[in-house]
Amino acid sequence: GAVVSQHPSWVICKSGTSVKIECRSLDFQATTMFWYRQFPKQSLMLMATSNEGSKATYEQGVEKDKFLINHASLTLSTLTVTSAHPEDSSFYICSAFGQGEYEQYFGPGTRLTVT
Amino acid sequence: QKEVEQNSGPLSVPEGAIASLNCTYSDRGSQSFFWYRQYSGKSPELIMSIYSNGDKEDGRFTAQLNKASQYVSLLIRDSQPSDSATYLCAVTASNSGYALNFGKGTSLLVTP
Repeated sequence: GAVVSQHPSWVICKSGTSVKIECRSLDFQATTMFWYRQFPKQSLMLMATSNEGSKATYEQGVEKDKFLINHASLTLSTLTVTSAHPEDSSFYICSAFGQGEYEQYFGPGTRLTVT
Repeated sequence: QKEVEQNSGPLSVPEGAIASLNCTYSDRGSQSFFWYRQYSGKSPELIMSIYSNGDKEDGRFTAQLNKASQYVSLLIRDSQPSDSATYLCAVTASNSGYALNFGKGTSLLVTP
């Protein structure tokens, strides 16, 4: 399967600051990546679809000005949580399709804690 | 709202037994169906994909799909303690490209 990496794996930040999370496809090019969020004991919820070279598509209820997505190359998408608050504390996971595949592969996730 | 429903469990089976996990979905336009395994604190790991009605086998795992009944299942044969995890059913959303709608997952516990 395709390999997707994320950085950092965990981060603690103070309320009001911004945090950037990187998602990379390591051995393939990904024109589309997805960002999910998972709260404890809940399932994954799609936040947005990241498209290389164009604006991201956000799901209903997700603030695009708060969760900034940049997909500047075929191997890198970034999610920036701006003005983070404790309620943004969650497990953020990105995914991408393997090249020529219909199956999504997930990065290892980033655990964000906002104090 | 497109729903993917799973029994949250926990489902407890003895080692060596067959574990049966079920999932129903509401989006009739869905074309692709997946089972992911998620260990606590980790991201989901793809186990099986299935796209057409019937059974698909891969090692100890068998996925079954019935689009008419909007039902997909996963059988795990010869269950091992290492299979203990949460199993997520995921279905592509017909109106959102290839984004996935996830069920809440079924917690499986395989006891030695």
